[in-house]
Amino acid sequence: KQEVTQIPAALSVPEGENLVLNCSFTDSAIYNLQWFRQDPGKGLTSLLLIQSSQREQTSGRLNASLDKSSGRSTLYIAASQPGDSATYLCAVSPGGGADGLTFGKGTHLIIQP
Amino acid sequence: EPEVTQTPSHQVTQMGQEVILRCVPISNHLYFYWYRQILGQKVEFLVSFYNNEISEKSEIFDDQFSVERPDGSNFTLKIRSTKLEDSAMYFCASSGGGGGYNEQFFGPGTRLTVL
Repeated sequence: KQEVTQIPAALSVPEGENLVLNCSFTDSAIYNLQWFRQDPGKGLTSLLLIQSSQREQTSGRLNASLDKSSGRSTLYIAASQPGDSATYLCAVSPGGGADGLTFGKGTHLIIQP
Repeated sequence: EPEVTQTPSHQVTQMGQEVILRCVPISNHLYFYWYRQILGQKVEFLVSFYNNEISEKSEIFDDQFSVERPDGSNFTLKIRSTKLEDSAMYFCASSGGGGGYNEQFFGPGTRLTVL
C-alpha cells in the first residue's frame, strides 16, 4: 500500500527566504506526482504536476523535482512571500486514467512579513 | 478559466439521514472523483468514475455511498444513512481533458456536519 510522507509538518520562515518542502513515497511505481496548495477551509489548488519520466517542473517561483527511484520529491519556493502561507500537499497517482491520488498530510507553511 | 464547482458549501444533517452532494466537473473532462478530508487528517480517495460507471473505489466507499452522473454536467455523491464519522470536507475533482498527464483539478469542497 502506497504511503506518502511530508517533512516538515510545519515551517515558519521570514519573508524573502528560499525554502524546500519534502515529500517521500514508499512505492516508486507511480505515474505522476502533483503538488497542491490548500488554504484554511478551502479546496485544493494544483500547483505542479510531474510525470514519472520527468525530473522537474517549474512554474514561476516554484520548482518541483522528482527522483522516482528513491521515492522522493521536493518543492522549492523562491523568494517566499506572506501570500505563500498555506498548507502544501503532495500526492501520487499509480496510473493514468481514473486512478485515485494518495496524499501526504502536508506541510503547513507560514511566511512572516 | 474552467473550474470544478460544488454545492452546497456546507451541509448540516442529522445522523441516519440521506445526503446528496453535488458537483459540476470541468466540461471537457472524462474522469471524475470524490475525496474526503476529516478535520486534521489526510485527503483520502473515495471513488473514481469514467464512462458512466465506477472505475475504482477505496475501502471507505462502502454500501452506504453511491455516485451518479444524472445528466451531462452533474456528478453526485449520495450517503444513504449518515453517521457521525461521515463528518468531513468532501471534495470533487475531475481530470482527463486531453492535455495529457491526467492532472486532477479540485472543487472548493462541501463541509458535511452530521449531528
